[in-house]
This record gives sequence, structure tokens and C-alpha cells, in this order.
Amino acid sequence: GAGVSQSPSNKVTEKGKDVELRCDPISGHTALYWYRQSLGQGLEFLIYFQGNSAPDKSGLPSDRFSAERTGGSVSTLTIQRTQQEDSAVYLCASSPVWGGSGNYEQYFGPGTRLTVT
Amino acid sequence: DAKTTQPNSMESNEEEPVHLPCNHSTISGTDYIHWYRQLPSQGPEYVIHGLTSNVNNRMASLAIAEDRKSSTLILHRATLRDAAVYYCIPGWGNTPLVFGKGTRLSVIA
Repeated sequence: GAGVSQSPSNKVTEKGKDVELRCDPISGHTALYWYRQSLGQGLEFLIYFQGNSAPDKSGLPSDRFSAERTGGSVSTLTIQRTQQEDSAVYLCASSPVWGGSGNYEQYFGPGTRLTVT
Repeated sequence: DAKTTQPNSMESNEEEPVHLPCNHSTISGTDYIHWYRQLPSQGPEYVIHGLTSNVNNRMASLAIAEDRKSSTLILHRATLRDAAVYYCIPGWGNTPLVFGKGTRLSVIA
């Protein structure tokens, strides 16, 4: 079946511009996660959604970063006034269930490589 | 979050078994032990997870120490496609994963 998809696969933008990154999770997955991976920092958590709400935004590095999820499906990560330190691979993951008992694997997309020049 | 310690890198010959260790001495009693791997230029992928008992699936086996302070991921016959960074992650699978530096596995033909 279809996995997690992300678009664009690559994005080059000038410093100061805004960018939007999109994630299409696996159909029916209620939990959605954003991570980023940069050379200096490794893989770090940004934000996650249960349905359309975001119980944990603690990983967002600054108020220039925001994310939303609509219809319990597609999510968009927006970075305003991009800086060079925002350059990284942004990864999205989804899992079938959030919270409660049980333990469910996360399925990752291929990522969006963002380069800020 | 439980702190993990993994070797920075390991090397294996193709078709040989590989044992990837992880120390998680501060793991809580309810945390599962997850293993993910990241192949070059790809997002991470789930490998296996367990709580107390050893686990097997089509990809690997997971051996968990009786005191749960360490675990070992076992690839029974390494192939070139298994070359990746392997991450050991205590926690719940459906909450944000905390990735450490992982172990970079190289497989030699």
C-alpha cells in the first residue's frame, strides 16, 4: 500500500523567505510526527499531532516554525523567514494509534531536503 | 527519557551474523525497546521492538537482558542492504521517538 509521502523532495530557498513542507500520512493513521535531521544535530523531534490537535509542540525550535493538520490527514510544516540554520532534512512519520496502551511503529516518509541560501 | 549508549560504528562481513548492542540502564519499567534503522538517503524504518521477552521477526531478533538494562539486535545473516545506522530507542512507539547517535553498520562483501 501507499506509504507516507512528502513534498517537495527538495527545496532551495533564499534566506528570509517562507516555506511550506507537506506530509501525506498513511490513510487511517491518527498520529503524525515531524522530525528534522541536520548534520550537526542528528534526528530531532519537532511536533506531533493526534488527529488535528498538537499535544506536544515542545520540539519546535522557534516561533518561526508552525504546523497544522487538517481533516486528520495532511499536515503542513511552515517555516517563516528562513535562516541558514534551518537547512536540514525534514521527516514526517505516522502511526495508527496515539496514546493508551499498545505499541505501534512509526512509518517515515522519504523527507524534504531544505537548503537555505 | 532513558539515555542510551551504542557503539559509534561496527563492521560485518556479508552473510555473517551481526550483534548490535545497546545499553539503556535508566529505562523505565513500562518503556518498550525499539530499534529503527536508517539506510542512506532514506527516512528511518522500524526494525523490531520488545518489552521483556526476546522477539523475532522477519528482519531481525531482539535479545533483552533480564534486568532490561541492555539489549542486542541480531541480524542473522548480514547483507549489503543492511548497511545503515541502527538506533536503539526506549519508550512508547506511538509517542515522539528520541533518536541518539546510533551505530553505523558497514557490511563488507
